[in-house]
Amino acid sequence: GDSVTQMEGPVTLSEEAFLTINCTYTATGYPSLFWYVQYPGEGLQLLLKATKADDKGSNKGFEATYRKETTSFHLEKGSVQVSDSAVYFCALSDENTGGFKTIFGAGTRLFVKA
Amino acid sequence: GAVVSQHPSWVICKSGTSVKIECRSLDFQATTMFWYRQFPKQSLMLMATSNEGSKATYEQGVEKDKFLINHASLTLSTLTVTSAHPEDSSFYICSARTASGSYEQYFGPGTRLTVT
Repeated sequence: GDSVTQMEGPVTLSEEAFLTINCTYTATGYPSLFWYVQYPGEGLQLLLKATKADDKGSNKGFEATYRKETTSFHLEKGSVQVSDSAVYFCALSDENTGGFKTIFGAGTRLFVKA
Repeated sequence: GAVVSQHPSWVICKSGTSVKIECRSLDFQATTMFWYRQFPKQSLMLMATSNEGSKATYEQGVEKDKFLINHASLTLSTLTVTSAHPEDSSFYICSARTASGSYEQYFGPGTRLTVT
């Protein structure tokens, strides 16, 4: 079945450092890919998405490119801020996940130090 | 647009009682809603998928008689935890998918349930 694997955390960075959170997926079809962010004590917020190969999703300085050849959707940001501290979930959804369910990765916790 | 609300945001109940959590899509019609459970520092675990007007589809290992889901309208789904026990304490999150066919889901802010 479909699955999502993302790098384990926690990731600890200093402010203004470069961020990469790796995400790879397996899917039988052509999924849409998502990054969600969860701030402490809150629900999930969609950060960005890409619906087909080579699409680049971007939002708030974060970006990720849908790479079909490497089945990856790595999240990057050039200069992180303390306010970016949160848990980041990579996810996919397509018609093969049954009822368009979303399959989530395990989440990567990011700590940004001032 | 595409806002999902949950009520209550947190609830404390005594062991053996039941508690209802509401999930509402505020500005769109949600043909499908999903209920997730999240344990501390863990990912989301899908509990069930509900479609308006039909019975919910539960994931393997989720007790349908304990977690009652009702999707009575295109803007409201409820999760009732019956005869709650301390091990049911968790963060419950709902999400909704529009009728447009997009794979995107919109998440509620979550409800923290503590059973004493």
